[in-house]
Amino acid sequence: EIVLTQSPGTLSLSPGERATLSCRASQSVSSSYLAWYQQKPGQAPRLLIYGASSRATGIPDRFSGSGSGTDFTLTISRLEPEDFAVYYCQQYGSSPVTFGGGTKVEIK
Amino acid sequence: QVQLVQSGAEVKKPGASVKVSCKASGYTFTSYGISWVRQAPGQGLEWMGWISAYNGNTNYAQKLQGRVTMTTDTSTSTAYMELRSLRSDDTAVYYCARAGRLLSFPRIWGQGTMVTVSS
Repeated sequence: EIVLTQSPGTLSLSPGERATLSCRASQSVSSSYLAWYQQKPGQAPRLLIYGASSRATGIPDRFSGSGSGTDFTLTISRLEPEDFAVYYCQQYGSSPVTFGGGTKVEIK
Repeated sequence: QVQLVQSGAEVKKPGASVKVSCKASGYTFTSYGISWVRQAPGQGLEWMGWISAYNGNTNYAQKLQGRVTMTTDTSTSTAYMELRSLRSDDTAVYYCARAGRLLSFPRIWGQGTMVTVSS
């Protein structure tokens, strides 16, 4: 199975700053079938990005995804207070579907 | 609106079984599948498996093979996940999510069901 490694584990930033989250796959992700989710405490994950770079419906354009093959990035251009949360990447290019371990974006 | 509503929290003893339900509304149930994902306290997301609501085909995570069964009831638009021989490390929040195919990215998630396994 494809193992996804997210870094850093925790990102301490201030509102207004840029956040760059990394997701590295143990083998190439087929057709850039990679998604990003945001999760806040006590809530279900929320889809942000699919196909590595397509924003889901209703997701602000400060969220962007990029990458291909084994290296993917989620960028939040300017952090809003509601963006402090945990972010997970997920590959759905090969079975089984797998998730990364998550990156927590916390307020500095 | 499209939503998935899950059953309530459960407390079970080791060795017991649990069955979590996930009732769909706002869409044609048989046009999509349901994935199940769990999250142990303070941990990440773990994919458990997928079931087609169209024909009942299933695909389970290898580590859960033999202990998990996913089913659907199309008459009530409800999906079920049963986990047997529960252990303490099965303590987690269990989510259902609408997933069109086995390999997909769920947009719609249930609210989660906490299952606690404790003697």
